[in-house]
Amino acid sequence: AQSVAQPEDQVNVAEGNPLTVKCTYSVSGNPYLFWYVQYPNRGLQFLLKYITGDNLVKGSYGFEAEFNKSQTSFHLKKPSALVSDSALYFCAVRDSRAAGNKLTFGGGTRVLVKP
Amino acid sequence: DTGVSQNPRHKITKRGQNVTFRCDPISEHNRLYWYRQTLGQGPEFLTYFQNEAQLEKSRLLSDRFSAERPKGSFSTLEIQRTEQGDSAMYLCASSRREGTGELFFGEGSRLTVL
Repeated sequence: AQSVAQPEDQVNVAEGNPLTVKCTYSVSGNPYLFWYVQYPNRGLQFLLKYITGDNLVKGSYGFEAEFNKSQTSFHLKKPSALVSDSALYFCAVRDSRAAGNKLTFGGGTRVLVKP
Repeated sequence: DTGVSQNPRHKITKRGQNVTFRCDPISEHNRLYWYRQTLGQGPEFLTYFQNEAQLEKSRLLSDRFSAERPKGSFSTLEIQRTEQGDSAMYLCASSRREGTGELFFGEGSRLTVL
């Protein structure tokens, strides 16, 4: 079984400050990890993924995420948040041994960036 | 636009009616997924296809739900005898079979059952 936890329902941050959105996961095998963003009335947009290799992954719109195997975490970060980053963020996991590309999503974290 | 396309975008229906949603995936993708998302929650997996074969169904997919992908291209999701608990956003996604590809999502079909 695979699961994802996003412990914060909402994160508030001032524009220009660093942004972190937390994610922990559980899988039987090696994880493939993803971050998606959802704007109001829109579908999910892919931000970045970790498959293997460097633990620090860079993605779209200046976001990055750090894979930490010992802590089973994959936190999303942005050094300087913008008001336009306000959205719903989802972490997702897939067991590398599982057939198909089926992803299991966390419950989401709403990010509010204030000017 | 070569993204994943879903229609209708919104559907309001009365309890007990049948509804059908359509998804057109990215053309070169042979995997297609259906997810359901309720307000304030993350997407929950319903089912997926590889070409025309339905390879996995979630326990969430009751016998009132049926999905098809008859020619391995577009897919339909039908809900029979709708209930108020079916109200949700139904998301379709597609991906390539090979590698570790991410899913590409459509904008969803929002169902409201009165």
